Amino acid sequence: QVRLVESGGKLVKPGGSLRLSCAASGFTFSDYYMSWIRQAPGKGLEWVSYISSTGSSAKYADSVRGRFTISRDSAKNSLYLEMNSLRADDTAIYYCARHRIAIAGADPLGWFDPWGQGTLVTVS
Amino acid sequence: EIVMTQSPATLSVSPGERATLSCRASQSVSDNLAWYQQKPGQAPRLLIYGASTRATGIPARFSGSGSGTEFTLTISSLQSEDFAVYSCQHYNNWPQTFGQGTKVEIK
Repeated sequence: QVRLVESGGKLVKPGGSLRLSCAASGFTFSDYYMSWIRQAPGKGLEWVSYISSTGSSAKYADSVRGRFTISRDSAKNSLYLEMNSLRADDTAIYYCARHRIAIAGADPLGWFDPWGQGTLVTVS
Repeated sequence: EIVMTQSPATLSVSPGERATLSCRASQSVSDNLAWYQQKPGQAPRLLIYGASTRATGIPARFSGSGSGTEFTLTISSLQSEDFAVYSCQHYNNWPQTFGQGTKVEIK
């Protein structure tokens, strides 16, 4: 079945760096856009970044642009999020999700399905 | 940025009863709206997309309605496994945003 498994979350000091990974299985990974979405304690979900199916384009939320970098390795069926200059307000559960496109275009829009179970990043 | 507002924040419902959750967009998102279910320690689960289309494998007791700025998720007869947090998300333009969630708890 379709499965996404995140890893790499841990406690890191402000200003530090971290790399999250997401292992995909059960579908043709290279066919799909992928996203990272996070949820801070007691807050709603926040989309963080997406990467195109080929890896040729990416988009970031204003809150992380210039600090985070999304990438993918289709040979390993894996998605990554490189996080630099981490701040306390980056503390959250980070989910990877398959991006289902409803509105095509330069920056396609759509819903997310499925999601992984998340990995916790604590910046303190 | 479109702000998604969900109400109520918490809904107390007895098993077998109907639950009605609301999601309001600060401007029209047409029918570009999805609903998700979240349980602690589990992956969020897509329930509804296109405002009213059930995702694969979602029971018929879940239904979505609305368009423009007002949306509703209805659970016709709550089962024990339905007690969870429900979030809406628009995908009408960037940034795609989520509501704060409605927690459905056992009354």
